[in-house]
Amino acid sequence: NAGVTQTPKFRVLKTGQSMTLLCAQDMNHEYMYWYRQDPGMGLRLIHYSVGEGTTAKGEVPDGYNVSRLKKQNFLLGLESAAPSQTSVYFCASSYPPGASNQPQHFGDGTRLSIL
Amino acid sequence: KNEVEQSPQNLTAQEGEFITINCSYSVGISALHWLQQHPGGGIVSLFMLSSGKKKHGRLIATINIQEKHSSLHITASHPRDSAVYICAVGRGGADGLTFGKGTHLIIQP
Repeated sequence: NAGVTQTPKFRVLKTGQSMTLLCAQDMNHEYMYWYRQDPGMGLRLIHYSVGEGTTAKGEVPDGYNVSRLKKQNFLLGLESAAPSQTSVYFCASSYPPGASNQPQHFGDGTRLSIL
Repeated sequence: KNEVEQSPQNLTAQEGEFITINCSYSVGISALHWLQQHPGGGIVSLFMLSSGKKKHGRLIATINIQEKHSSLHITASHPRDSAVYICAVGRGGADGLTFGKGTHLIIQP
């Protein structure tokens, strides 16, 4: 019962470096989400996907790109990391019609530090 | 003003006490979610509700749609209930949840 798996769990980057965060779910969920969590703030939506091959912007998409080439995977990319992207990143998934009317299943988070 | 407001931000109580965490929202919603985040960081969905009341073990969640308010209650609180409790709302689209800042609960033995 893996559920939603995020890799890596921790990463330290230097400013300007690039990296990809991977989210994998084994529940056959159509909808997948990337959120970031910062101290003193609620989680905020970065990008989301309503199915394989689709992506859409959330509340804070700048500096990030995403891809959903396979239904079970949702990748979050940082092309040129900035210190403002230091955060804890959570992936979540759900059945249609999405977060509004379905429980969300979360991964354990990726703690990312940009120096 | 945040669309989802939680109170209190921090709460420390003794084991066995009845706990209430409040959530108010200012937008139309299709469902309200209560989530739990343990010190290790993982987030677990506790409840999703659009009306009335739900109960699971010692946890009870209520919602008043007219007043745009929800409460999460914990009866007979235990140190293992120590966590951050997060209220979030879904607004009817596919675009994720809008989250409150969370309530940090500590239950002392």
